[in-house]
Amino acid sequence: DQQVKQNSPSLSVQEGRISILNCDYTNSMFDYFLWYKKYPAEGPTFLISISSIKDKNEDGRFTVFLNKSAKHLSLHIVPSQPGDSAVYFCAACLSGNTGKLIFGQGTTLQVKP
Amino acid sequence: DAGVIQSPRHEVTEMGQEVTLRCKPISGHDYLFWYRQTMMRGLELLIYFNNNVPIDDSGMPEDRFSAKMPNASFSTLKIQPSEPRDSAVYFCASSTNSGSNTGELFFGEGSRLTVL
Repeated sequence: DQQVKQNSPSLSVQEGRISILNCDYTNSMFDYFLWYKKYPAEGPTFLISISSIKDKNEDGRFTVFLNKSAKHLSLHIVPSQPGDSAVYFCAACLSGNTGKLIFGQGTTLQVKP
Repeated sequence: DAGVIQSPRHEVTEMGQEVTLRCKPISGHDYLFWYRQTMMRGLELLIYFNNNVPIDDSGMPEDRFSAKMPNASFSTLKIQPSEPRDSAVYFCASSTNSGSNTGELFFGEGSRLTVL
């Protein structure tokens, strides 16, 4: 039973445009959310996170939005660059147990030059 | 500083054989995780340790899977006997609970297992 779901396996955008990656979760107890980025033949690396007490967190070109009532979060990348092409994983956890992350299936982003 | 180190990077074996994957976490990290990546389910948590003690192994799929952490700098994930459906990329990750406690994990490069 997937507690964290990324329903879009892939996304293709043009360089310079906005990329929006979506993630849904089912466990209302989750209160901390993270995005990881993964290049081929490498391990995932941490990108950005958000606590449930916030609805937005921004870091440069990356912004994560959280809608608790809808149990939905999204990652916005603007402007998108070809180097952003990777697999993006959404993850969730309980803040009292941030050692245990539950990941989604991942979305493959392709940014075309 | 060295990151999380996993070996082997690639393993091809035949069904029924024993497979042992190895991991060296980042020095000073007190949490160690084993994840498995598949197309269908993404990254699944198999087991994690805190201070070398297994905390949650509810993700271990079957008794064929076992994991140990004999000391703070080494862990193994063993599959015996292996089956074709075990084919996946296995990631080890480590983290520390100190500081901001953001839940940020540091992953190794993964071990790609193919069971024929």
